[in-house]
Amino acid sequence: LAKTTQPISMDSYEGQEVNITCSHNNIATNDYITWYQQFPSQGPRFIIQGYKTKVTNEVASLFIPADRKSSTLSLPRVSLSDTAVYYCLVGDMQYGNKLVFGAGTILRVKS
Amino acid sequence: ETGVTQTPRHLVMGMTNKKSLKCEQHLGHNAMYWYKQSAKKPLELMFVYSLEERVENNSVPSRFSPECPNSSHLFLHLHTLQPEDSALYLCASSQDRGWNYGYTFGSGTRLTVV
Repeated sequence: LAKTTQPISMDSYEGQEVNITCSHNNIATNDYITWYQQFPSQGPRFIIQGYKTKVTNEVASLFIPADRKSSTLSLPRVSLSDTAVYYCLVGDMQYGNKLVFGAGTILRVKS
Repeated sequence: ETGVTQTPRHLVMGMTNKKSLKCEQHLGHNAMYWYKQSAKKPLELMFVYSLEERVENNSVPSRFSPECPNSSHLFLHLHTLQPEDSALYLCASSQDRGWNYGYTFGSGTRLTVV
């Protein structure tokens, strides 16, 4: 599984756009990039998944450059309730690679 | 609720007790997982079941015993645990063992071993 590197923590204020970047230099051709969100004492929740370029859903956007060695999760206009840990995961979708979580990025949103 | 239900939400047990954690999903998923999350540590995969068959055991001590009687239910039987086993135990499911559409996690069972 490709190793990922994320910042340990980030601080932001309500209403700001937050971008969390994940490095995955050893990403393989069949690997997809997935982001999860976890609140304290809850299980992680799927946010977004992508392979290349840009993916957008009702919650976030995911930007993936052409070399795919990094990706950026973009959260528009964050609120206090977006305070959570965000995990970036990379793996092969088709061959049953288990989800291996790293330490994630602790996002703190302040008022 | 996410579609994956775990019970109980909280459990306190002594080191000589036997207890079981239960996980239930009605999402039609074929794969189910147990994860352990200790304080300030990443989630650790414990067991993987696919079509009710255990396909992965990540060097978990035998005091943790999983059971998957059908594709909708997963249990984790606990016996003679240690205080360091105190953690949040999370169950997850997915359509299959691939990553298609992500994994769905339950809210977890907060286990305290005294």
